[in-house]
Amino acid sequence: ELKVEQNPLFLSMQEGKNYTIYCNYSTTSDRLYWYRQDPGKSLESLFVLLSNGAVKQEGRLMASLDTKARLSTLHITAAVHDLSATYFCAVVRGGGADGLTFGKGTHLIIQP
Amino acid sequence: DTGVSQNPRHKITKRGQNVTFRCDPISEHNRLYWYRQTLGQGPEFLTYFQNEAQLEKSRLLSDRFSAERPKGSFSTLEIQRTEQGDSAMYLCASGRAYEQYFGPGTRLTVT
Repeated sequence: ELKVEQNPLFLSMQEGKNYTIYCNYSTTSDRLYWYRQDPGKSLESLFVLLSNGAVKQEGRLMASLDTKARLSTLHITAAVHDLSATYFCAVVRGGGADGLTFGKGTHLIIQP
Repeated sequence: DTGVSQNPRHKITKRGQNVTFRCDPISEHNRLYWYRQTLGQGPEFLTYFQNEAQLEKSRLLSDRFSAERPKGSFSTLEIQRTEQGDSAMYLCASGRAYEQYFGPGTRLTVT
C-alpha cells in the first residue's frame, strides 16, 4: 500500500527565513504533486513533478523530486506572511492508476 | 475557463437519508476525480472517470456510495443511508492529462 509522509506536520517560522518541507513515499510512482490549501478553501495546484531530478520554481517556492530516494522537497525562500497555509504533497500509484494518495499536510505559519 | 464547480456547497442531512452531489468539470477535461477530506487530514481518493467510464474505485467507496458520469461531462456522487462518519468535505477535480484541478468542495454534515 502506498504511503506518503510529510515532515514536519507543523511549522512556525519568521518572515525572511528559509525552510524545507519533506515528502517521502513508500513505493515507485510516476508523478508527484504539491498543493496549497488555505483554511476553509479548496486545493490550489502548485507543482507537478514528472521525472527524477525535476525541479520547478514559482516565486519563493521551489520543488524538487528524487525518485530513487522516493523524496520530494518544497523549499521556501525568504518566507512572507502570505505563504501561510497547509501544503500537501500527493503521489500517484504506478501501473496506470490515476488517483492521488496525499500526505497529512504541513501546516505552515509565517509570523511577521 | 470558469474552473471546477460543485453543488451544493453545503449540505446538512439526517442520518439515514440519501444525498447527491454534483460536479461540473472544466470544459473539455476528460478526466474527473472524487475525493473526500476530513478535518486536519489530506484528501482521500474515492473514484476516477475518464470520459464516461469509471476506471478506478477506492476501497473507501463502500456499497452505499455510487458515482456516475453519464455523458462524460458532469458527474454525480450519491451516498445512500448516510452515517455520521460520512461527514466530510467532498472534493471534485478534473484534468486532461496528468493535472488535477480541484473544485471548491461540498461540505456534508450528517446529524
